[in-house]
Amino acid sequence: GNSVTQMEGPVTLSEEAFLTINCTYTATGYPSLFWYVQYPGEGLQLLLKATKADDKGSNKGFEATYRKETTSFHLEKGSVQVSDSAVYFCALRDSSYKLIFGSGTRLLVRP
Amino acid sequence: EAGVAQSPRYKIIEKRQSVAFWCNPISGHATLYWYQQILGQGPKLLIQFQNNGVVDDSQLPKDRFSAERLKGVDSTLKIQPAKLEDSAVYLCASSLDSGRGTGELFFGEGSRLTVL
Repeated sequence: GNSVTQMEGPVTLSEEAFLTINCTYTATGYPSLFWYVQYPGEGLQLLLKATKADDKGSNKGFEATYRKETTSFHLEKGSVQVSDSAVYFCALRDSSYKLIFGSGTRLLVRP
Repeated sequence: EAGVAQSPRYKIIEKRQSVAFWCNPISGHATLYWYQQILGQGPKLLIQFQNNGVVDDSQLPKDRFSAERLKGVDSTLKIQPAKLEDSAVYLCASSLDSGRGTGELFFGEGSRLTVL
């Protein structure tokens, strides 16, 4: 079945460090891919998305590229801030338009 | 613009008791979702409503879980009787389209259930 696998956390970085959170997926067809973020005390919110191969989604300095050949959608940011501390969820939308989430990766950025 | 409202935020019950969660989606959003998020796992869809009709409830344990969305606005999720494995955060989300459009869902803060 369709599934999403994320790297386990927590990921702990110093401010201004480079961030990569790995995400790979298994799906039939060509799913749309998403990153959602959950800041402390808030609900999940959409961070970025990509709908077809080689698309790059970007928002708030974060980027992720839809790689069909490696079935990946890794999240990157060149310089993280303390305010980026949150839980990040990778997700795919399958052929029945259902969102399937990964288990989430907690990011902690220290000053 | 008001976000998705959920209540209660926290609930502790004994196994075999019942519990109900309430959700009020963003005004004008036709589609409403209930997700279950067990600790250490990603959210899992329980049920999806389009207006007041059920679109997908394939992963809803219907022997103990029920949900309704009267008048196509707010919704209630009920668990009766609760089991230990029902301990989780129950997330409500809404979207403007049916999920076939942008795919963007707006989530509430969730209701954390602990079953003892």
